[in-house]
Amino acid sequence: DTAVSQTPKYLVTQMGNDKSIKCEQNLGHDTMYWYKQDSKKFLKIMFSYNNKELIINETVPNRFSPKSPDKAHLNLHINSLELGDSAVYFCASSQVAGDEQYFGPGTRLTVT
Amino acid sequence: SQQGEEDPQALSIQEGENATMNCSYKTSINNLQWYRQNSGRGLVHLILIRSNEREKHSGRLRVTLDTSKKSSSLLITASRAADTASYFCATSGGGADGLTFGKGTHLIIQP
Repeated sequence: DTAVSQTPKYLVTQMGNDKSIKCEQNLGHDTMYWYKQDSKKFLKIMFSYNNKELIINETVPNRFSPKSPDKAHLNLHINSLELGDSAVYFCASSQVAGDEQYFGPGTRLTVT
Repeated sequence: SQQGEEDPQALSIQEGENATMNCSYKTSINNLQWYRQNSGRGLVHLILIRSNEREKHSGRLRVTLDTSKKSSSLLITASRAADTASYFCATSGGGADGLTFGKGTHLIIQP
């Protein structure tokens, strides 16, 4: 049973395109997150979504937008992709905000 | 700005030896967590220690927290080849604003 799943696992696209990454958790958690891991393996929080409240990291460009159709899903939509967006994106969830998080397998995005 | 800094950045030891990784952070926290990441995989939660705790054990893992020095250490005893991975500390303010990660320690266990 996959607790937190993401699709696709790999995404290769050209600059300027719009793409989405899907995330689903079957843990019944109330809080979900998106993280970006760069080529140096540094992880940075992008968004968190808790009880319909969205918390955005101020450094995230507004080309990135999370969309949550329901409590089990938090999708990431990216407009006008740039080379610098190439990274691995991780979705995560937690039962209690700020406590142990469960991570998805990651989506490796390559922008050419 | 980055919260956590792990030390060392890389560590290579023989199987059976103990591995110690350190983490420092800058602001006040609710808890500190350690995660493991195998190459090409997602992160796996190892252990969480709250700001009012000083030491915690889980199997072969021992974590300490010194809030006065804003530092934590992760000790893995009797290391195994399967422990080869990157280890990250992450701090939480207790709210829903996500974790702040350090740069990680890459641990290699030589058989």
